[in-house]
Amino acid sequence: EADIYQTPRYLVIGTGKKITLECSQTMGHDKMYWYQQDPGMELHLIHYSYGVNSTEKGDLSSESTVSRIRTEHFPLTLESARPSHTSQYLCASSDSAGVNIQYFGAGTRLSVL
Amino acid sequence: GEDVEQSLFLSVREGDSSVINCTYTDSSSTYLYWYKQEPGAGLQLLTYIFSNMDMKQDQRLTVLLNKKDKHLSLRIADTQTGDSAIYFCAEERTYKYIFGTGTRLKVLA
Repeated sequence: EADIYQTPRYLVIGTGKKITLECSQTMGHDKMYWYQQDPGMELHLIHYSYGVNSTEKGDLSSESTVSRIRTEHFPLTLESARPSHTSQYLCASSDSAGVNIQYFGAGTRLSVL
Repeated sequence: GEDVEQSLFLSVREGDSSVINCTYTDSSSTYLYWYKQEPGAGLQLLTYIFSNMDMKQDQRLTVLLNKKDKHLSLRIADTQTGDSAIYFCAEERTYKYIFGTGTRLKVLA
């Protein structure tokens, strides 16, 4: 069982609020990822990190930002939430050795009213 | 194109075999993966195949890889109702995954 945790699992919030989605892993993995999953299922990479103080934007443009101050923690922040941010957000991590298996958290389902 | 493509839906009867297909784009991908997503959950790795292999079998799962056609398939033998989920293939490009569009498998009792 993967040791990667996301909180909250569900969040309903009003437009304009600042929110932070938390993601933590206890496996000591260097690489961490944030994906946005559409209601129609497709996953899109929005941010990734190869280690502490390393963050990159993914393939899908996102208004969110991330930070990686500690290996185990990779929070995602939306400064001003909008209804278009309503989605499921999935966090994942992987190590640097051999096969790049990504371990996923259970996700945060965000609804912005 | 840049997309990894899968058919959106598959419906099978319990006990039958399921075959989920995937067409990927990057011939230099070292590994290709199959993940399963159950309702309300994240993705869970089912299996993966190294790009120099044609086939990999793991209990009820068989992965076939046709590099020439960039085609990957996942066969689930003796499909059970617990196999109902969304299945994603993924190719790897420089430590990042490009996921397929996902196939929703429905198993009928």
